[in-house]
Amino acid sequence: DGGITQSPKYLFRKEGQNVTLSCEQNLNHDAMYWYRQDPGQGLRLIYYSQIVNDFQKGDIAEGYSVSREKKESFPLTVTSAQKNPTAFYLCASSRRRDQETQYFGPGTRLLVL
Amino acid sequence: DAKTTQPPSMDCAEGRAANLPCNHSTISGNEYVYWYRQIHSQGPQYIIHGLKNNETNEMASLIITEDRKSSTLILPHATLRDTAVYYCILFRNSGNTPLVFGKGTRLSVIA
Repeated sequence: DGGITQSPKYLFRKEGQNVTLSCEQNLNHDAMYWYRQDPGQGLRLIYYSQIVNDFQKGDIAEGYSVSREKKESFPLTVTSAQKNPTAFYLCASSRRRDQETQYFGPGTRLLVL
Repeated sequence: DAKTTQPPSMDCAEGRAANLPCNHSTISGNEYVYWYRQIHSQGPQYIIHGLKNNETNEMASLIITEDRKSSTLILPHATLRDTAVYYCILFRNSGNTPLVFGKGTRLSVIA
């Protein structure tokens, strides 16, 4: 089946630890995105990439890093510099020419111990 | 900041039409109106979009006022599975700016 997969579904992080969230898509989409969602809030954009080996900061990029070495993969690293990482993280992709029609993965819930 | 205004919550009886309003009084001429929904603990799902004309697909209808300052998403026969947060988003297809999600409307469909 075509779609977007995120793993793991739940992730626990210790204080001061970096963790990486996986996002893979087989839709042949050029553009990929990472969003963060806090309880009762809308989605906020962390990073996005419109093409391989290129990415841009979103509204809340501090404390996060990404890479885009392959078209189908856009991993997000939550670094120890992110002081409040507990949230629901969503990955999305779209065709570069139709960035308004995004397809979302199931999300990863990150909890800090 | 989101450029749209939506009520924080609404209720709808199962089987009835759900009408979700959205105000976008500062919309630009080349901005589209998009609707997404998010069922609890899942990723958002695209529903429908439009520019000037009313639109309909298998999921919903979108009614945009003639001055384009407001719109209404209509779910013709709401079911319990339509309970979700509905986001109204303005988007200009410049190819550079991603979607901006606001807080949306939490629709509760009641049996």
